[in-house]
Parts: sequence; C-alpha cells; structure tokens
Amino acid sequence: AQKITQTQPGMFVQEKEAVTLDCTYDTSDQSYGLFWYKQPSSGEMIFLIYQGSYDEQNATEGRYSLNFQKARKSANLVISASQLGDSAMYFCAMRNYGQNFVFGPGTRLSVLP
Amino acid sequence: DAGVIQSPRHEVTEMGQEVTLRCKLISGHNSLFWYRQTMMRGLELLIYFNNNVPIDDSGMPEDRFSAKMPNASFSTLKIQPSEPRDSAVYFCASSLTGETPLHFGNGTRLTVT
Repeated sequence: AQKITQTQPGMFVQEKEAVTLDCTYDTSDQSYGLFWYKQPSSGEMIFLIYQGSYDEQNATEGRYSLNFQKARKSANLVISASQLGDSAMYFCAMRNYGQNFVFGPGTRLSVLP
Repeated sequence: DAGVIQSPRHEVTEMGQEVTLRCKLISGHNSLFWYRQTMMRGLELLIYFNNNVPIDDSGMPEDRFSAKMPNASFSTLKIQPSEPRDSAVYFCASSLTGETPLHFGNGTRLTVT
C-alpha cells in the first residue's frame, strides 16, 4: 500500500531564510509521481511542484525545489528565501499511474518576521 | 479555464437533513476525487472516479454517503441523513489520468448542528 510520511508537524523559519520540509514515501511501484501542495489559512489547496519517478533532475518552480532521493524514497520540498506569505500547511502527495492520490498529514510552516 | 467549481461554499443544516454537495470538473479532466478534511483526521479520500466509473469508494464512511457522476463534467456527494460528526470541509478535485496534479475546488464547509 502507498503511504506518505511527513515527520514535522510544525516548522518555523526566519523570513528570507531557506527551509526544507521532509517527505518520505512507500510504494512498490516503479512509476509514480510526487506532488507538493500548499494550503494557506484561507483553505484552498494550491499545487506547487511535481516530480516524476523517472525524472533524473530535481524539479524546480521558482522558489520551490524538490530534493528527490529515489533510493531513500524521499521527496523533500525546499523553499528558498522564505516570505511571510509562505506561512501555511504543506502536504506531500503521491500518485501511481491511474491510481489514487495519497496525501501525507501535512507540515505547518510559520515564517517569522 | 474556470477551475474546479464547488457549490455551495458553506452549508449549515440540522441533524437528519439531506445535504447535497456539487462539483464541476475542469473541462477535459477524466478523474474526479472527493476528499473530506477535519482537524482530527486531516485529508481523507472518500471516493474517486475514472471516466465516470467509481474506482475506490472504501473511504465513504457509511451508507449515509453516496456519490455520483451523472456525466463527465459533474459530480454530486450526498449525505442522508446528516449527523454532527459529518461537519468538515469537503473538497472536490479533478485531474487527467496518470501522474498529473490534482486541481482542487475551493471546498464546501459543512456544519451539521
């Protein structure tokens, strides 16, 4: 069965610093996708970044990058130059082809001024 | 593209009443997911469809919950009769098949008194 683990219930980071949010996953499939979502206090779920299991390069989207270590089954999200607006819940998720999306429990990030 | 559209945004009802939540998928998407989010249990998958066919409904709490896709672009989630423990935010999300991101609606906040 697929499973996502996010071991950090809450994280603090100083504004303008970088922060890494941890995500490990468990699957027996060879082909899968890894995703990160942001949920601000307003409640909407915002897609941030995607990494395919066969992608050799780590995904990047602006200030977001995904540190993908396939052998360790980890897909950590790195946010560079944190901003106050980055304060939110962050969810890691996985999808095997044609299957369900599995979400982790989330990490609450607070950016301090 | 208007995105995934959910209605209503807020619903307050009394215990025992029927509740119907509605969702319009993004045009062209063929996978539809219903999630429920609470503080206690986080984000829970209720059911998902591929090409209008329910694939996994193991997350549907009990017979009081039912979901349908009468056509390729629309879905309903019905709770009958509703109970206070059903109070949560219900999200609908759509995607293409495969390792593609989920696009979430803004959610329906349901309160059952």
